[in-house]
Amino acid sequence: DVKVTQSSRYLVKRTGEKVFLECVQDMDHENMFWYRQDPGLGLRLIYFSYDVKMKEKGDIPEGYSVSREKKERFSLILESASTNQTSMYLCASSFYFSGDEQYFGPGTRLTVT
Amino acid sequence: GENVEQHPSTLSVQEGDSAVIKCTYSDSASNYFPWYKQELGKRPQLIIDIRSNVGEKKDQRIAVTLNKTAKHFSLHITETQPEDSAVYFCAASGNTNAGKSTFGDGTTLTVKP
Repeated sequence: DVKVTQSSRYLVKRTGEKVFLECVQDMDHENMFWYRQDPGLGLRLIYFSYDVKMKEKGDIPEGYSVSREKKERFSLILESASTNQTSMYLCASSFYFSGDEQYFGPGTRLTVT
Repeated sequence: GENVEQHPSTLSVQEGDSAVIKCTYSDSASNYFPWYKQELGKRPQLIIDIRSNVGEKKDQRIAVTLNKTAKHFSLHITETQPEDSAVYFCAASGNTNAGKSTFGDGTTLTVKP
């Protein structure tokens, strides 16, 4: 059974803080993704990675960066958190990059005050 | 890039009735169309998917149909039950756009007992 875990379920940060969200998968998946989920806007791709140390921008990368130093771990970084980054953040992983089921983590509800 | 539109945004049915959710996509190169179910407070999980070489796929009470010519696909749930209440997301992916998945905005299905 694929397991994708995220470091926090709920997080409250202040404007301007640096925020780290971590995701770990235990199925040796090559591909990992970070999405942002907002009501009525579906799942929007922030960044993805298809290999260690490789990263590609998604549809809404502004204000975010990522790090993938190990295959099982993919981190999302908010360099200077802003209130408009208050959202639910979902991590996902898949074996194949294209045409494959994505396994999601439980999500991190981030509130920036 | 790919654009996926999902309708309706909310759907309320009586227990035992059928529910249909429709998605259209823009990129004719897309060839994989998954549907995810997200129960309240939980992670999205794949419930059914279809590839472009198939027109219909069934799994017990759920089915998905694909019309490649018209570039739309639909989720059909028959004999709905209260536990079908959730947010449903469609997605499309293919060999263009680096194979990344584009999600619809989601449909909130409520099944009234």
